[in-house]
Amino acid sequence: QQQVKQSPQSLIVQKGGISIINCAYENTAFDYFPWYQQFPGKGPALLIAIRPDVSEKKEGRFTISFNKSAKQFSLHIMDSQPGDSATYFCAARDNYGQNFVFGPGTRLSVLP
Amino acid sequence: DAGVTQSPTHLIKTRGQHVTLRCSPISGHKSVSWYQQVLGQGPQFIFQYYEKEERGRGNFPDRFSARQFPNYSSELNVNALLLGDSALYLCASAGVSYEQYFGPGTRLTVT
Repeated sequence: QQQVKQSPQSLIVQKGGISIINCAYENTAFDYFPWYQQFPGKGPALLIAIRPDVSEKKEGRFTISFNKSAKQFSLHIMDSQPGDSATYFCAARDNYGQNFVFGPGTRLSVLP
Repeated sequence: DAGVTQSPTHLIKTRGQHVTLRCSPISGHKSVSWYQQVLGQGPQFIFQYYEKEERGRGNFPDRFSARQFPNYSSELNVNALLLGDSALYLCASAGVSYEQYFGPGTRLTVT
């Protein structure tokens, strides 16, 4: 119930391509869904987030798509750049426990 | 404005020892959460504190404890260290919204 599943585990994209990372959950108490970017040796940095009453949110090259009925959400990175190479984590906030549950991460490599 | 700060950056301890990790939240943030991130995995929730009170606890043994001070800074304490406690310990702060911001972490190595 507390798990957030994330796929793929790793992703290789050419520069200028679209990177797509998918997440799924079961817990209906989740009420906020952020995405984090983490570089080696650094803490996760908040990229973009969405609430379940919205189906899509776009900020620059980053877009979250949210499907409440399917309990799935995804991150799209348009015009991917080598500087986007990092590990990406989806997360979900448990409204009951007021804690965040993280997916296992996707390691993205953008080739120049 | 300064982000979330954590100290120390790195720490090497021996099995059985005790460790204290420190965190200062973003100015104005009253909520602090602690996470453990083992290499190659996502962060795992340990504790959340708000206004000096524990608001949530993850599935960690009683060897882990924390507290929050009147200035909203926080400490995470781990007793009787095990090799498996080796990880990056992350502190995150949040204000009135759900947005949670992480610090750079403390890398703990237990030998």
